[in-house]
Amino acid sequence: RKEVEQDPGPFNVPEGATVAFNCTYSNSASQSFFWYRQDCRKEPKLLMSVYSSGNEDGRFTAQLNRASQYISLLIRDSKLSDSATYLCVVNRDSNYQLIWGAGTKLIIKP
Amino acid sequence: SAVISQKPSRDICQRGTSLTIQCQVDSQVTMMFWYRQQPGQSLTLIATANQGSEATYESGFVIDKFPISRPNLTFSTLTVSNLSPEDSSIYLCSAGGGVTDTQYFGPGTRLTVL
Repeated sequence: RKEVEQDPGPFNVPEGATVAFNCTYSNSASQSFFWYRQDCRKEPKLLMSVYSSGNEDGRFTAQLNRASQYISLLIRDSKLSDSATYLCVVNRDSNYQLIWGAGTKLIIKP
Repeated sequence: SAVISQKPSRDICQRGTSLTIQCQVDSQVTMMFWYRQQPGQSLTLIATANQGSEATYESGFVIDKFPISRPNLTFSTLTVSNLSPEDSSIYLCSAGGGVTDTQYFGPGTRLTVL
């Protein structure tokens, strides 16, 4: 089993739709969780950290379920500029190493 | 957040040669990391660059092939030695760590080995 697993993609959705990404992780000792965004031929950029209580940043909502070891990202009112690969990231342990999911590619169509 | 620069941004190298990639951070950071990303794949951690001590390598990566330097808290280099076409990839430097574990990335170095 992979340490971090994400929905396979690509997701093709119309502009304005709501899209949800799911991610599971295997290390129950993980403490830090992130969603990164990576545009084609660019470096990954932090989209948002994920907190136990869930957090929202504009159109983006992240949720964490520690019991199920599950993380989600919801994008509302999707824009063309949201097209990218979304990477679920979890820390391995106390030495700050991050484990990266394979990513889910999102394509927003006009 | 930290601003990270890498150079070269890309290079084309001959088989058997080596390439050294430089990573510069605009502020002192605890941790620096080197990743490889194959086309269409996610990131694979090569090693953690420790200041003042040897780098810590992940399974499948060895110091002879990927020597790393970390002379201070703002700079690191990764050398990819004895290049083969299988080393063609994007190499990314990141910095971060600390309480939040957030990592910020350089723009990457695209290496092609002929």
